[in-house]
Amino acid sequence: DVKVTQSSRYLVKRTGEKVFLECVQDMDHENMFWYRQDPGLGLRLIYFSYDVKMKEKGDIPEGYSVSREKKERFSLILESASTNQTSMYLCASSLMGQDDQPQHFGDGTRLSIL
Amino acid sequence: AQKVTQAQTEISVVEKEDVTLDCVYETRDTTYYLFWYKQPPSGELVFLIRRNSFDEQNEISGRYSWNFQKSTSSFNFTITASQVVDSAVYFCALSEAGTASKLTFGTGTRLQVTL
Repeated sequence: DVKVTQSSRYLVKRTGEKVFLECVQDMDHENMFWYRQDPGLGLRLIYFSYDVKMKEKGDIPEGYSVSREKKERFSLILESASTNQTSMYLCASSLMGQDDQPQHFGDGTRLSIL
Repeated sequence: AQKVTQAQTEISVVEKEDVTLDCVYETRDTTYYLFWYKQPPSGELVFLIRRNSFDEQNEISGRYSWNFQKSTSSFNFTITASQVVDSAVYFCALSEAGTASKLTFGTGTRLQVTL
């Protein structure tokens, strides 16, 4: 069965800290995505990657970076966390190929920046 | 640029009622894909259905049905005889050809089904 695992369900950090959110998938998917979900705004794409060491900016990349050193792992990095980055973060993966491939999501990480 | 609109923020129904969740999309592409996802209280988004722009056939899966109409740019989702377990946030999303499956999501509709 398809599995996308995010390292933490809940995380509390302080302003200015460097924060790492980890995501691992076991489906050998080429594409991986990071979204943030905020009330009334739906899901917004932060970054995505279609191959190891490849990354592309999504709609709201400011204040974030990503790392993809291995195919199964995609990390989201908050370089200097700020309170407006308090949100739910969702990781997803999908197969390369036709653009109709559904994305498979992790359970999400609820991040609070104090 | 593509856009997905889910005008219904929240819907509340009593169990066994039918309910329709609306989704309207905008895209300039002739080839695109539409999706519905369910997000139960546990948080994980669950894939429900995908439809490509060349297939306007409606689909039924148990109590769920989807009505795709290109003429009105809509992809509506109906739950027949709703149940408490259907309570969730439902998202409609759009992917355009050549975008590596990047999804543009609507803002979601929260469905509350009560006894």
